[in-house]
Amino acid sequence: GENVEQHPSTLSVQEGDSAVIKCTYSDSASNYFPWYKQELGKRPQLIIDIRSNVGEKKDQRIAVTLNKTAKHFSLHITETQPEDSAVYFCAASQRTGRRALTFGSGTRLQVQP
Amino acid sequence: ETGVTQTPRHLVMGMTNKKSLKCEQHLGHNAMYWYKQSAKKPLELMFVYSLEERVENNSVPSRFSPECPNSSHLFLHLHTLQPEDSALYLCASSQEASSGANVLTFGAGSRLTVL
Repeated sequence: GENVEQHPSTLSVQEGDSAVIKCTYSDSASNYFPWYKQELGKRPQLIIDIRSNVGEKKDQRIAVTLNKTAKHFSLHITETQPEDSAVYFCAASQRTGRRALTFGSGTRLQVQP
Repeated sequence: ETGVTQTPRHLVMGMTNKKSLKCEQHLGHNAMYWYKQSAKKPLELMFVYSLEERVENNSVPSRFSPECPNSSHLFLHLHTLQPEDSALYLCASSQEASSGANVLTFGAGSRLTVL
């Protein structure tokens, strides 16, 4: 089955700096790669996603890149703010067969004011 | 009520108890999920129901028994649990798309403590 590895497990940055979180996946049939943000004590929520037919997607200060050949994808947050502090999870799923999301182990991002 | 609601939010039970977790979605979605979130293995998929049919059972011990009576409701029946089963149990729903873009909406979770 699919295996998603996520790094780093913790990340601390200064407010205004950029943060990058990386994930790799094992199943070449995976074609959908979302990122979820979970603030302390709250439920995970989708912040951005990318499909395998594109290499990059941006939404204001966040962007995701995908390298299908290398089977890795990354989340980039620019001009970080304290409210970006949370746990971020990457995930992967397939269009057919096993459609349920397989999540990475999470990255705890701390933005220092 | 909107979104995905879970009850109870907190549950403490002994190893010999029988209890159930309930999840209800008000989004008209056709798939529902149980995930286990613990410090050791965050967001671990347990069960998937698509159109009320269980399509995935991710090697979960039989002391966890899911039930999906209709597309809006999902239960997780708990019986003779172990202390290591203590975790946050998250329910989620989605509208499965042929494109595979499966956007999950999570509930707030049920925090389970097994004594």
